[in-house]
Amino acid sequence: EAQVTQNPRYLITVTGKKLTVTCSQNMNHEYMSWYRQDPGLGLRQIYYSMNVEVTDKGDVPEGYKVSRKEKRNFPLILESPSPNQTSLYFCASSLSGLETDTQYFGPGTRLTVL
Amino acid sequence: DAKTTQPNSMESNEEEPVHLPCNHSTISGTDYIHWYRQLPSQGPEYVIHGLTSNVNNRMASLAIAEDRKSSTLILHRATLRDAAVYYCILRGNDMRFGAGTRLTVKP
Repeated sequence: EAQVTQNPRYLITVTGKKLTVTCSQNMNHEYMSWYRQDPGLGLRQIYYSMNVEVTDKGDVPEGYKVSRKEKRNFPLILESPSPNQTSLYFCASSLSGLETDTQYFGPGTRLTVL
Repeated sequence: DAKTTQPNSMESNEEEPVHLPCNHSTISGTDYIHWYRQLPSQGPEYVIHGLTSNVNNRMASLAIAEDRKSSTLILHRATLRDAAVYYCILRGNDMRFGAGTRLTVKP
């Protein structure tokens, strides 16, 4: 089944404790991205990647890192999480970054930073 | 950046058609109009997209105004499972989600 998976689905952590949220897709997609969703602010893009070893900042990249060493994986790294990074995170992928592409979203990771 | 304007919420009765409007008066010639929806506790899912012509698929229809400054997503027979937040998005070099329209379907 074609899908985007994220782990963990739920995470409660404390300020300053490094964490990684994994994202994997099995559709051989070149384009992957991370979004965060907050009440009243909608979905905002954090980082995106057009292909392996190519990443770029989205609208809200501060406090986040990403890497794209393999085509299927696009982990989101919070080196020193803070409470304002408490949010619902979605990973997405598409065949390429073209305007006609369909984006496939993962099920989401709900992160709470205390 | 080109933006979209949608009503915050709409209601529909089950098995009736639903017309979800979207205004995008600053759309550029190369922007595609995409619609996604987000069911409760799930990630967004693709619904339909188009450039100039009206489009149909198994989920919905997309009617695009001749001047492309507005579009309407049409659900031909709403079901309870269609209750979701519907996002109208202009897709050019980027893909920005607005607040969307929360659709409530009443039995």
